[in-house]
Amino acid sequence: AIQMTQSPSSLSASVGDRVTITCRASQDITNDLGWYQQKPGKAPKLLIYAASTLQSGVPSRFSGSGSGTDFTLTISSLQPEDFATYYCLQDYSYPLAFGQGTKVEFK
Amino acid sequence: EVQLVESGGGLVQPGGSLRLSCAASGLTLSDHHMDWVRQAPGKGLEWVGRSRSKARRYSTEYAASVKDRFTISRDDSKNSLYLQMNGLKSEDTAVYYCARDAPLAPSKTAFDIWGQGTTVTISS
Repeated sequence: AIQMTQSPSSLSASVGDRVTITCRASQDITNDLGWYQQKPGKAPKLLIYAASTLQSGVPSRFSGSGSGTDFTLTISSLQPEDFATYYCLQDYSYPLAFGQGTKVEFK
Repeated sequence: EVQLVESGGGLVQPGGSLRLSCAASGLTLSDHHMDWVRQAPGKGLEWVGRSRSKARRYSTEYAASVKDRFTISRDDSKNSLYLQMNGLKSEDTAVYYCARDAPLAPSKTAFDIWGQGTTVTISS
């Protein structure tokens, strides 16, 4: 099974900061990766799929990049509503696998 | 409005069974691959399993942790998805979500619609 390793597990940032979260796959997954945002008590929300395609309605400050084993989610200018936990998900092969999550907290 | 609504969660003793439901409105479930994802208290997301679309004969995939204990099925007449859970263990305690895999790109997974979740607690 493919393992997904996210880093960092948590980070502290301020409004306006540029934030970068990375996800590493245990083997080549081409671009079969998505990013999700989850707020406490809520279902996850799709941000990006196919590594870099922004889901409709998601603000352009979110971007994704990478292919193969290394992927990045970037928030160009952190907004108050972006404080949440972020997960990557590989869909290259079964079983699908999420990363362990990155909690973005207010500094 | 497109919506998924889960139900059926509750408190069950170890070794027991439970069936979760995911009812859809505003979309025809049979047209889509549908997945179950769970989240243990204070933990991250865990993929549970998939039921492919009717065109793919509702074929299924499961996580190793639930294979042979959990079964995903559908009822087209009720536009619903189910998760039959048998042999429940304490580690199955979680919020269970159903999610639609959007047909956004060929062979790409994108869970664009989620239910609100239903809570399953396994305890004696």
